[in-house]
Amino acid sequence: EAQVTQNPRYLITVTGKKLTVTCSQNMNHEYMSWYRQDPGLGLRQIYYSMNVEVTDKGDVPEGYKVSRKEKRNFPLILESPSPNQTSLYFCASREVADTEAFFGQGTRLTVV
Amino acid sequence: LAKTTQPISMDSYEGQEVNITCSHNNIATNDYITWYQQFPSQGPRFIIQGYKTKVTNEVASLFIPADRKSSTLSLPRVSLSDTAVYYCLVGDLPRVSSASKIIFGSGTRLSIRP
Repeated sequence: EAQVTQNPRYLITVTGKKLTVTCSQNMNHEYMSWYRQDPGLGLRQIYYSMNVEVTDKGDVPEGYKVSRKEKRNFPLILESPSPNQTSLYFCASREVADTEAFFGQGTRLTVV
Repeated sequence: LAKTTQPISMDSYEGQEVNITCSHNNIATNDYITWYQQFPSQGPRFIIQGYKTKVTNEVASLFIPADRKSSTLSLPRVSLSDTAVYYCLVGDLPRVSSASKIIFGSGTRLSIRP
């Protein structure tokens, strides 16, 4: 079954404590991306990756890092989380030359 | 990518056909029109995509007039489980150079009542 798997699904953390949200896809897609979703602001892209070792900033990259060492994994790293990063996060993957993106189940992050 | 405009919300009843229209006046020649569905606390799910005229799959139909400045997502005989947010996206997504952007607007919140 085609899947994009994110972990954890829910996370409550404190300001400044580094965390990583993992994302893994089993479809051999080149393209992966991270979004955050906030009420009234819709889905905004954080970072994306066209392939292994190729990443670039989306619309709201500040405070986030990503890495793409393997094709299937695209972790999102918050080096020093702040309360304004409290949000619902989605990872997505797709073939570069395709329009159908597959999204993970989401990670609800609360930073206190 | 072309900007899209959709109604913020719509209400309907079970068994009805629902049509959600999206305006994209600045659509470019190479742009495709794609619709996604999102349930609360879940990731968006691809519904349908088209370039012109009509596209139909097992879930929905997409109607695109000749000028392509708008499109209509049609959901036949909706049920309570069709309550979700529906996003219309326009872009030249198959091209590698624009592969970075799948921009979601605010979407249309569809509520289905018994």
